[in-house]
Amino acid sequence: SYELTQPPSVSVSPGQTATITCSGDQLTEQTGYWYQQKKPGQAPVLILYSNIKRPSGIPERFSGSNSGTTVTLTITGVQAEDEADYYCQSADNTSTWVFGGGTKLTVL
Amino acid sequence: EVLLVESGGGLVQPGGSLRLSCATSGFTFTRFWMTWVRQAPGKGLEWLANIKQDGSAKFYADSVKGRFTISRDNAENSVSLQMDSLRVDDTAVYWCTREWLYWGRGSQVIVSS
Repeated sequence: SYELTQPPSVSVSPGQTATITCSGDQLTEQTGYWYQQKKPGQAPVLILYSNIKRPSGIPERFSGSNSGTTVTLTITGVQAEDEADYYCQSADNTSTWVFGGGTKLTVL
Repeated sequence: EVLLVESGGGLVQPGGSLRLSCATSGFTFTRFWMTWVRQAPGKGLEWLANIKQDGSAKFYADSVKGRFTISRDNAENSVSLQMDSLRVDDTAVYWCTREWLYWGRGSQVIVSS
């Protein structure tokens, strides 16, 4: 079955830049989504869709990019409040979906 | 204001059934696919099922195919997830979501003897 691969953890100091990658074969054809989850069991928040687009209200420090089979979430000028779990997602085909395993972002 | 409110969770024995419902308001329900997602304790997010605007197409994750059934009532602006043959590893928080942007607060399902 289709899988999306993320690093389990990323650590960064406040004010620095954090990058979280997500790899999957279908990412050459399907766009990526990114979510922030502050606490397990809390509903995730969509922070990027179509690889690079931000929903209304999401700060500009969150940005995305894609290259080949990888999509990347970049957080520029990380703040303490950005500490959370981050999940990528894409479609397997037009109507089934998969999430990456999640990346725990620690702000040192 | 867009609202999604899940209900119907609880404690059930292995092999049992539960029906989750998601009541929605604040948007034109018939314009959107609806989806169920869950998160088991200590685990990541898992897509479960989605249903097309008119209910004519439904898709399921392999982990729940044949056990869970998604449905919608466009007159009542609600979507449901019928969960049968529940297993201990179905224990999770379950959310409904409107095309990923709007989510409910979730409903806890515990499968245990």
